[in-house]
Parts: sequence; structure tokens; C-alpha cells
Amino acid sequence: DAKTTQPTSMDCAEGRAANLPCNHSTISGNEYVYWYRQIHSQGPQYIIHGLKNNETNEMASLIITEDRKSSTLILPHATLRDTAVYYCIVLRGKLIFGQGTELSVKP
Amino acid sequence: SQTIHQWPATLVQPVGSPLSLECTVEGTSNPNLYWYRQAAGRGLQLLFYSVGIGQISSEVPQNLSASRPQDRQFILSSKKLLLSDSGFYLCAWRALLRDRVNYGYTFGSGTRLTVV
Repeated sequence: DAKTTQPTSMDCAEGRAANLPCNHSTISGNEYVYWYRQIHSQGPQYIIHGLKNNETNEMASLIITEDRKSSTLILPHATLRDTAVYYCIVLRGKLIFGQGTELSVKP
Repeated sequence: SQTIHQWPATLVQPVGSPLSLECTVEGTSNPNLYWYRQAAGRGLQLLFYSVGIGQISSEVPQNLSASRPQDRQFILSSKKLLLSDSGFYLCAWRALLRDRVNYGYTFGSGTRLTVV
């Protein structure tokens, strides 16, 4: 499975956009990038995924660079409830979690 | 709609006792099923996965085993629990790629196991 690198932690002001980066330089051409988040003491929640094109849904936007070696998850208007650990995962068969980014949204 | 059920929510078991955690999925057929564990302050570790009845793949050698007696039932077991088995256990399922309703993995609410 392709490895990913994410910052350990980030802070974001409530109401501002949260931009979470992820490096996946060893990604293969047919591997998708998935984003999940885990709020304390809950199971991981699917956010969004993409292959080449940028994607947007009701939760977030996913920007993938043209060379596919990195991506950014954007939460357009972060709220306190978005405080969680965010995982960027390159999927090949199995969902293998790294350490993720601990996002703290502050008032 | 598809749902995943996992129980119990919390469990306290003495060292050396057996364990059985059950996970069931509704609203889909022939899902891929997964067991994950999260130790305190650590990331999620994939323990087992199954692509069909009776088919179990183990990711990490350990004191646990898994079984899939029915298409939508996945069981995690241990004959004798160790203190190191404490953690948050999560079941997940994934539809086959041709099912375009679900794209990713869906997780249950988890079982918090404390071995004392």
C-alpha cells in the first residue's frame, strides 16, 4: 500500500477554511485517495475520495495535484464539531490507516 | 439502506477469559468485512478481513481469531484474553465495486474492551 504523510496536528479558527495536506508520492495510477475522520471514541467516518479530478460533496472538497503525488482536504467553514483526527489513505484492496492529522477547531 | 451493527458497546473481561464480539451487516449481500483494533492513544490496526463465508485473512499474528459463519456476520474471538487485548474494536464493511451506492468502508460504532 502506498504510504501517506500528514502533519501530526493543525489548528483552525471556527468559521474559517481548514486545509489538510497529504503527501502520497508513491501512489500508483489506479489507486484512489480516501479521506476519513475519527471523532473521539467513535468509528471512522468516510468524507470523500478521488482518483485524478478534484471532488466536492456536502462535507468537503478534495484537491489532487496533477501529478497525483499530493492532495488537500478542504473543510470550507470549519465548526467545533469538525475537531477530529483526519486520515488520508491511498487505497489498494485494504484500508490501512496511518497516524492522521489531529485537527483542533477553536472558537 | 445498509446498516452495520456491532455489540456490545463496552465490555470488561478478566485476563484469561474468552471473548466473542459480533458484527452484522444489513441491506447488502456478499460484503467485504473487516475487524480493526485501536489501542489507547494509537492508530487503527487492521486485524482480519473476509471476502466471503469461511474466508478469513489475518493481518497481524496475535491472540485473536475471526470467523464468518454467514454472509453478513463477522465474529472476533479469543480463547484467553491478555491485558494487551484491551482496546477499541471496530467492524467495517465494504460493498463490491459494482455497487455504486457505497464507495468507501462503513464502520460500526465499536466495542470498547477492557481486560483487567
